[in-house]
Amino acid sequence: QVTLKESGPALVKPTQTLTLTCTFSGFSLSTTGVRVGWIRQPPGKALEWLARIDWDDDKFYSTSLKTRLTISKDTSKNQVVLTVTNMDPVDTATYYCARIRASGAATWFDPWGQGTLVTVSS
Amino acid sequence: QTVVTQEPSFSVSPGGTVTLTCGLSSGSVSTGYYPSWYQQTPGQTPRTLIYSTNIRSSGVPDRFSGSILGSKAALTITGAQADDESDYYCVLYMGSGIYVFGTGTKVTVL
Repeated sequence: QVTLKESGPALVKPTQTLTLTCTFSGFSLSTTGVRVGWIRQPPGKALEWLARIDWDDDKFYSTSLKTRLTISKDTSKNQVVLTVTNMDPVDTATYYCARIRASGAATWFDPWGQGTLVTVSS
Repeated sequence: QTVVTQEPSFSVSPGGTVTLTCGLSSGSVSTGYYPSWYQQTPGQTPRTLIYSTNIRSSGVPDRFSGSILGSKAALTITGAQADDESDYYCVLYMGSGIYVFGTGTKVTVL
């Protein structure tokens, strides 16, 4: 059974760096074809894709946020880490990680973690 | 900046049919964008309904179907039920590892 769980601070101050960890089970990021992504959702608003990391350590970022995002993996711990620099109140959101499944060239997010709410406030 | 647009809201009667669409701010959506669709009830984690345009995810009822309609991806709910009342999001794969979520559609069943 594949599960993912996000962890990190519930509250950060403006200008601080947010570090979130996605701990997963049921698959390995050292296996060819495996990918993990991060998505966020501000309260009452739409989902927004942030980043993806692949088994071969390829990394991809949202065009609008790429200067602030870093994604990394620790295969031995079954973890993916996302850092977001220079946090602002508009970054207040529930942050989700998800396995990215693939069939041929098609990819999709499944399953998702439960999400973790991060509030940015002084 | 690519924007993926969805209808803000739809209302459907129980047993009725509704088609949600997913379009691009510029250009047409094709199967090459590998559209996927997700259902999210308030306070819950998104659930995968459809991937690669029209393939139902495991356990998804066959009243949900995906397609390309004209220049947009589409999700059709045939025979809507009360528990289909949710927010629905599409995602398009833009290539080069980049994804864009749609703006979301709130579906009310009444």
